[in-house]
Amino acid sequence: DGGITQSPKYLFRKEGQNVTLSCEQNLNHDAMYWYRQDPGQGLRLIYYSQIVNDFQKGDIAEGYSVSREKKESFPLTVTSAQKNPTAFYLCASSAQSVEQFFGPGTRLTVL
Amino acid sequence: GIQVEQSPPDLILQEGANSTLRCNFSDSVNNLQWFHQNPWGQLINLFYIPSGTKQNGRLSATTVATERYSLLYISSSQTTDSGVYFCAAGASSGGGADGLTFGKGTHLIIQP
Repeated sequence: DGGITQSPKYLFRKEGQNVTLSCEQNLNHDAMYWYRQDPGQGLRLIYYSQIVNDFQKGDIAEGYSVSREKKESFPLTVTSAQKNPTAFYLCASSAQSVEQFFGPGTRLTVL
Repeated sequence: GIQVEQSPPDLILQEGANSTLRCNFSDSVNNLQWFHQNPWGQLINLFYIPSGTKQNGRLSATTVATERYSLLYISSSQTTDSGVYFCAAGASSGGGADGLTFGKGTHLIIQP
């Protein structure tokens, strides 16, 4: 089955801990993206990667880090420097310059 | 960067009614997408429409790139059409695809 998978579906974190959210795609897409959604709001871009071993900051990159070692995978680490990490995180992918497709998301809650 | 504004923010209609959702964007774009977010948070792709007109069943969309707006039409609304509709726009730099800028969405409620 082709698509984008994110894990875990729900994640709970204590303050001061780093956590890593997984995003995998088997669509052979070059570009991958991470977005954050807060309640009642639209999505905001955190990081994106157009090619393996390269990535760019989006609008709200502070407190987050990413890596792109494989074409299929684009993990996002939420660090302790992120002041308000509780949110819904969505990963997307696209072939170059065309339509983006989204995974099911991970809900992160800081306790 | 690109700014995206959606209107109206909320819309309540009776089943069977037609609706028009609007999206204004501030700059030239080469990606314009409409999504429906389901109650579990999944974004469902409705249209990829940087210009022109497309139709898919009861839904259709039109983007007038020169005037920087897009419209999503829903005809003969059903209760299952309820949810949040997002418009998102993007541009390319250096031949690659940059991220999308999302509007705040239109919350549509279809009453039986």
